[in-house]
Amino acid sequence: EVQLVESGGGLIKPGGSLRLSCAASGFTFANAWMSWVRQAPGKGLEWVGRIKGKIDGGKTDYAAPVKGRFTISRDDSKNTVYLQMNTLETDDAAVYYCTTGSTVREDYSVHWGQGLLVTVSS
Amino acid sequence: DIQMTQSPSTLSASVGDTVTITCRASQEIGTWLAWYQQKPGKAPKLLIYAASRLQSGVPSRFSGSGSGAEFPLTISSLQPDDFATYYCQQYNSDLGVGFGQGTRVEIK
Repeated sequence: EVQLVESGGGLIKPGGSLRLSCAASGFTFANAWMSWVRQAPGKGLEWVGRIKGKIDGGKTDYAAPVKGRFTISRDDSKNTVYLQMNTLETDDAAVYYCTTGSTVREDYSVHWGQGLLVTVSS
Repeated sequence: DIQMTQSPSTLSASVGDTVTITCRASQEIGTWLAWYQQKPGKAPKLLIYAASRLQSGVPSRFSGSGSGAEFPLTISSLQPDDFATYYCQQYNSDLGVGFGQGTRVEIK
């Protein structure tokens, strides 16, 4: 069974940094594409970015609002993907979901974590 | 980036109805289109990928179609469990991955 368990959320001041983690199990992690999707309170879904698996060169892509501030990385030895968020803005406040297609190497999300709340407020 | 627009934003229907939600892309995207269902406080659930392929385990009353820029999602014989919010997603990263704004299906 695929499991994605996010950690690291919380309250952070505008301008601050936060790193989210997502521990994965139940599939071959090294080749899996791992994505982050967020949802501001009462709003719709927003794709944040994705890191491809080893077989696809580990390429990252990001949505325009976070490009240059957020970085996705992975540690295949720990089956974990990270979202480093810098220079946080109030508009970054959201529930952040870790997602994957596991064996599907495309940018839609078959499996989702439970979500992690990030609050950006002074 | 491509803009994805869903219509309607809210849809009122009764159990047993057949309903259709439409997703339109601001430019052609082939069949790089997925549909998700989300219930309050829960993570979304994948229903359809490649515009018309039903994800494993999803009831056959859900069907997707279309290619290019217009994509309908049809729910036949609406069940109580289907009242939720539905999102389309364009997932060709060369064009910019993005979601529609969502369609809430509520009980009439």
